[in-house]
Amino acid sequence: DAKTTQPNSMESNEEEPVHLPCNHSTISGTDYIHWYRQLPSQGPEYVIHGLTSNVNNRMASLAIAEDRKSSTLILHRATLRDAAVYYCIRNNYGQNFVFGPGTRLSVLP
Amino acid sequence: GAVVSQHPSWVICKSGTSVKIECRSLDFQATTMFWYRQFPKQSLMLMATSNEGSKATYEQGVEKDKFLINHASLTLSTLTVTSAHPEDSSFYICSARKLTYEQYFGPGTRLTVT
Repeated sequence: DAKTTQPNSMESNEEEPVHLPCNHSTISGTDYIHWYRQLPSQGPEYVIHGLTSNVNNRMASLAIAEDRKSSTLILHRATLRDAAVYYCIRNNYGQNFVFGPGTRLSVLP
Repeated sequence: GAVVSQHPSWVICKSGTSVKIECRSLDFQATTMFWYRQFPKQSLMLMATSNEGSKATYEQGVEKDKFLINHASLTLSTLTVTSAHPEDSSFYICSARKLTYEQYFGPGTRLTVT
């Protein structure tokens, strides 16, 4: 049980922002929200993670809803290299990661 | 950054033989490493959790005698697929967890059993 739900696929145009949603309605107070992405034939790549507050790094931003039941990964300007499967994972410290099917993002030139 | 390597990146072996895959954390120590398997068009499935100096913990349905895991040091874990069969052909991915909890993944090893 991945414990998160994401749309199967999304499309974006190059150089436009992308908002990837994730629902984690049964999240507990100590669960972190992690985002990884996977390009074809590669291992998952860390994108960002957070607990309660919104987070920013050089790759993306993570917006976490006030009730923490959902979050959104924001890619500010999509490039062709951002085309990948994006996984949203929630887990508590020390727990294993459980991967769902993720969202396949296509970026159109 | 945190880098995890895997070797080999791809391997072809004959049915009935064994193959070993190495996973190394190159710039950090990892007390815990994980092994995943990924079939085409599917997500990653956790096979086992490997703790340095102790026996691995296998997920339900994963045969521990077939998938031997050794975590000999804080930077190296190995997965040996014994008596491989064509149905074991898959993409095997390891990850290593830092003491600060972040988890980093290797590039994966594509195993093809003929």
